[in-house]
Order: sequence, then structure tokens, then C-alpha cells
Amino acid sequence: DTGVSQNPRHKITKRGQNVTFRCDPISEHNRLYWYRQTLGQGPEFLTYFQNEAQLEKSRLLSDRFSAERPKGSFSTLEIQRTEQGDSAMYLCASSTLNTEAFFGQGTRLTVV
Amino acid sequence: KNEVEQSPQNLTAQEGEFITINCSYSVGISALHWLQQHPGGGIVSLFMLSSGKKKHGRLIATINIQEKHSSLHITASHPRDSAVYICAVRLLSGGATNKLIFGTGTLLAVQP
Repeated sequence: DTGVSQNPRHKITKRGQNVTFRCDPISEHNRLYWYRQTLGQGPEFLTYFQNEAQLEKSRLLSDRFSAERPKGSFSTLEIQRTEQGDSAMYLCASSTLNTEAFFGQGTRLTVV
Repeated sequence: KNEVEQSPQNLTAQEGEFITINCSYSVGISALHWLQQHPGGGIVSLFMLSSGKKKHGRLIATINIQEKHSSLHITASHPRDSAVYICAVRLLSGGATNKLIFGTGTLLAVQP
């Protein structure tokens, strides 16, 4: 296992378009997190999955954002009708109950 | 006021210097993480600690639970240590989620 994998690494999209990001966690990790990081800031929590169940969503996750984790393996994060304010680094992390979180390389989204 | 504060925000050091980065938090925590982020976004977990001190190579992390303070030390710093160092805490009242609350990071530049 090579760790947490995120695709794509970079995405440039026009305002109003929909985008989807994918995260493949470490295979034995049942916990999966999405975070968003804007320039000069630390990451902020977006949503959490335990296996296939989405157990917590941040208020940052507006109704244009949706995340899924079918079968409790990979996860997708979709942003509909993108806005310039959505430009950020989207980070995925996975862990088990008491272990440290392992992060992916992130997907950098630029909305033009 | 952020729940997790780091200092300094920016730090420039000469190669070989001893470096200290500080993290203070205002909430009850079950664990504290030190993370390293290089340009390009990927985050690497350096330490997870809930008490005392941990050492890995030239890196040392300490935590004082009573004072709600942690420090990350780098001995014999090297230009390859240049990165953003982020402190993150896992809330004691975080329930089942175990999500992390991040500081804004310390940008370290080690000059040869």
C-alpha cells in the first residue's frame, strides 16, 4: 500500500462547472476525512466517513458540496456550480480508531 | 481567537541552528499532532502525542497538558527541513469523529 492517493492533483475549472475529486485511503483504514485548505491557512474539516457512513459534515459544506464513500473504500467529493471562493487545496486523510491520520497529496482546485 | 495558535508564523534560520516552534491550544484535547507540509500540498504526519516527549531523528516534540502547550524542536537544521509545520489537535469532546483542528502553520526557511 502506497498511502492515501488523491486524484487529480490539480484541477482548473470555469466558474459554474461541476468538479469531482477522488480519494483512495489506506486499505485497512475505516475512517476517512475531507479537509479544505486556503492559502496561508491551516486545513479546515469538511466531512467524515466511518466505513460507508457519512457521520459528520461541517457547516462549510454547503448544499453544492456532496461526498460519498460507497462500499467504505474510496471516496468522492463533488462540487456543483463552482464559485471562485471554492478555489483551495482539498485534502483527504484516513486512519483507524486511535492511529494518526495519513494524508494524501491533495487536489488543488482553481476556479477561473 | 483560534482554538490552536502557533508561533512564530514565519521563521528563517541558518543551517545547523536549533529551531523551536510553539503551539498553544485553548480546548481539551485527546491528542496533538505535528505535521509537515511541503510546497505542492502533501502533508506528512511527524508526531502524534498525548503526553511527555517523542523523538524521531533530529525532531523532538514535547507537550505539557496542564499548560496546554506543545513545542516542536529541530536540531542541526538543514535546508531540506524548509517547509510549513502545522500543529493540530484532536478534541477531547470530539465524539466519534476524531477530526483535527489545525493551527495556521509556521513557515520555516533554513538557509545554507
